[in-house]
Amino acid sequence: KNQVEQSPQSLIILEGKNCTLQCNYTVSPFSNLRWYKQDTGRGPVSLTIMTFSENTKSNGRYTATLDADTKQSSLHITASQLSDSASYICVVAKYYNNNDMRFGAGTRLTVKP
Amino acid sequence: GAGVSQSPSNKVTEKGKDVELRCDPISGHTALYWYRQSLGQGLEFLIYFQGNSAPDKSGLPSDRFSAERTGGSVSTLTIQRTQQEDSAVYLCASSLQGQGFYGYTFGSGTRLTVV
Repeated sequence: KNQVEQSPQSLIILEGKNCTLQCNYTVSPFSNLRWYKQDTGRGPVSLTIMTFSENTKSNGRYTATLDADTKQSSLHITASQLSDSASYICVVAKYYNNNDMRFGAGTRLTVKP
Repeated sequence: GAGVSQSPSNKVTEKGKDVELRCDPISGHTALYWYRQSLGQGLEFLIYFQGNSAPDKSGLPSDRFSAERTGGSVSTLTIQRTQQEDSAVYLCASSLQGQGFYGYTFGSGTRLTVV
């Protein structure tokens, strides 16, 4: 069973609207959690990185939250743009200083005009 | 280079043939990683290099898969006797240190199709 579950699997929204993507994980012990954006045909690009002690981190119109107690994270996108259409991948690192990272299957976001 | 470069971007091969995938990491990045991304699936870790050595090969799915890195730079992932289930996007990433916390820079991947 995948240790990182993302929902929804896909999402369609209108340009200008907000949306929230969810990530639940069971990885333990937990070091840090990242959100990546992957455009079609491209490699993933890091949006945010949060350690277990951080609750929120923003990167422009992207805001990630983390609840290490419930093992949940969310990525909120504000005032969506057509260029936000991509897959958003949640990645959880098992240890600090270790390459043991578990990847979610991603949420496919489509922003329509 | 400015980014992680992978070649070829697309590869179609016949079942049973061998293929080589190349990754050219960012200059100075000592750590290099190979991942596989199947349709609708999360990234699957294959192998990690620190310099020219591979301290973690745990993700290689079978002995048909091998990888090497020379000069602490370019890496080649070789798949022998390809099978249809090998069809996937193979992503390479590099980082400045062998510590995941600092984040990776990914290449655009090689889309492998085995027919």
